[in-house]
Amino acid sequence: RKEVEQDPGPFNVPEGATVAFNCTYSNSASQSFFWYRQDCRKEPKLLMSVYSSGNEDGRFTAQLNRASQYISLLIRDSKLSDSATYLCVVPPNSGYSTLTFGKGTMLLVSP
Amino acid sequence: NAGVTQTPKFQVLKTGQSMTLQCAQDMNHNSMYWYRQDPGMGLRLIYYSASEGTTDKGEVPNGYNVSRLNKREFSLRLESAAPSQTSVYFCASSEGVGSPDTQYFGPGTRLTVL
Repeated sequence: RKEVEQDPGPFNVPEGATVAFNCTYSNSASQSFFWYRQDCRKEPKLLMSVYSSGNEDGRFTAQLNRASQYISLLIRDSKLSDSATYLCVVPPNSGYSTLTFGKGTMLLVSP
Repeated sequence: NAGVTQTPKFQVLKTGQSMTLQCAQDMNHNSMYWYRQDPGMGLRLIYYSASEGTTDKGEVPNGYNVSRLNKREFSLRLESAAPSQTSVYFCASSEGVGSPDTQYFGPGTRLTVL
């Protein structure tokens, strides 16, 4: 099983829609994960962290399911500006090491 | 603060030429990273430096060398460029105080090797 798997999409949704992405992972016992956002031809930027208790930031909600080894990102009331690629990021299993980035899920929000 | 800066933004090389990609951060971060991003492949780690004076190989180090010049700067060198090294290169930094934390990325260098 690959370490981090994401549906590449694209997810095409109209403005105002609710959309959710999942990311499955393996080989990590971390307590926190991350979602990054990458706009076309730009650098990745942190969107939000994901904790065991979940995390909500405005229209964005991230959840962690450790038993099933997946994290999710829910976007409510989609905006045109939400169009981007969303990268799931998984810390290592233990100690200090480097992050593992998923290949990303592309979201396209249309008028 | 400029955050993480990279030079150059674009570069075209011929096969066999060499070049150095420069990266600097002004956030007093301990750790720095070099990634490449190719279509369908996602971000792949080339080398990283957990702290000043140390460097380690990542997932795809072949054909590259790095230098952690000081705490601020981390350069990536291609000694003999190959078409397979055509990619977008991102530098990143993080506090790196002992546990995984947020990485901040530079704007990237788009490299084409002919």
